[in-house]
Amino acid sequence: SQTIHQWPATLVQPVGSPLSLECTVEGTSNPNLYWYRQAAGRGLQLLFYSIGIDQISSEVPQNLSASRPQDRQFILSSKKLLLSDSGFYLCAWGENYGYTFGSGTRLTVV
Amino acid sequence: AQSVTQLGSHVSVSEGALVLLRCNYSSSVPPYLFWYVQYPNQGLQLLLKYTTGATLVKGINGFEAEFKKSETSFHLTKPSAHMSDAAEYFCAVSDRSGGSNYKLTFGKGTLLTVNP
Repeated sequence: SQTIHQWPATLVQPVGSPLSLECTVEGTSNPNLYWYRQAAGRGLQLLFYSIGIDQISSEVPQNLSASRPQDRQFILSSKKLLLSDSGFYLCAWGENYGYTFGSGTRLTVV
Repeated sequence: AQSVTQLGSHVSVSEGALVLLRCNYSSSVPPYLFWYVQYPNQGLQLLLKYTTGATLVKGINGFEAEFKKSETSFHLTKPSAHMSDAAEYFCAVSDRSGGSNYKLTFGKGTLLTVNP
């Protein structure tokens, strides 16, 4: 069966520091992968999606970037965090019959 | 473009009462529809989905939803609420427009509170 791993679970970072969140998928090949951000009261915002290695699409201009160096690895990064980057970040893999989500990373920028 | 509207950001029910969470969608093509549940500080878990066939869909934990094309709705119901149902619920739509990317559009969520 397919599983998705996301880490770390929580992270507190100062403004201006870099960020790296990692997501890996097991039990499937060439998955579609997604990064979402969830801010309080604002639902889920799609940040990036990827249909293959080094194929990344950005949905919203951000202080963030994403990379997919391996088929089942999806990384969310930032060079300098802003206060507004705080939120709950979710990785997902999916196909038309729905998504499977990771357990999420709670990022607090201070 | 597709969109999802969840009516009511917060719904409160008594234990044992009917749960009704409302979802309306907009899609230019026949949609796939989903309900997800999220417990605090956890990822989203699929409750149920409609793709094709029977319009009344049964999911986990006693939930069900009915696809009504004429009303562009996909409301989530459960006959009798349990304390463990307290969580946030998200409705989502996929336009199944084909290709190799399957993006879900989510509603803003409905927080369900269950009172003893």
